[in-house]
Amino acid sequence: DGGITQSPKYLFRKEGQNVTLSCEQNLNHDAMYWYRQDPGQGLRLIYYSQIVNDFQKGDIAEGYSVSREKKESFPLTVTSAQKNPTAFYLCASNNHGAGEKLFFGSGTQLSVL
Amino acid sequence: DQQVKQNSPSLSVQEGRISILNCDYTNSMFDYFLWYKKYPAEGPTFLISISSIKDKNEDGRFTVFLNKSAKHLSLHIVPSQPGDSAVYFCAATRIQGAQKLVFGQGTRLTINP
Repeated sequence: DGGITQSPKYLFRKEGQNVTLSCEQNLNHDAMYWYRQDPGQGLRLIYYSQIVNDFQKGDIAEGYSVSREKKESFPLTVTSAQKNPTAFYLCASNNHGAGEKLFFGSGTQLSVL
Repeated sequence: DQQVKQNSPSLSVQEGRISILNCDYTNSMFDYFLWYKKYPAEGPTFLISISSIKDKNEDGRFTVFLNKSAKHLSLHIVPSQPGDSAVYFCAATRIQGAQKLVFGQGTRLTINP
């Protein structure tokens, strides 16, 4: 079945540690996105990529990094510079990058130890 | 600056009655609007959308109304069912220029038996 796979489902980060969240899609979508969900704040865009080897910062990119070496994959690294990383992270994809509805993965809950 | 606002964090409705979820936006350049439904610990799923050239779009029990002059849209669910209990996000974008989706904060809908 086509879809977006995020892993792991739950992740714990120690102080000063970088962690990487995986996102893979087999929908042949050009664009991929990372969102962060905090209670009462909706979905906020971290980074997005509309084509391989290119990506742009979203509204809250500080403390995060991404890569897009393959069309299918868009990993997100939460660096030690992100001081409040506890949140539910959602990966999404679509075609054309605008207007087309987004397809979301099932999310990764990141918590700080 | 919150461009898309859902001012009701929660809504409780009796099973079988109508649920009305509201959303306001400030950016007059937005011309495409979407509603997503999200269960706990899962990714949002697309529900229904509307283009600014229309003022109503219907899909089964779900109808979205758009009032461009008031910069307001609403989602009506009739009749409401227990499985409709979820968080609902509205989102807006501008089709031209490959603009990103901007999400509201979400409204938690609870359907009571």
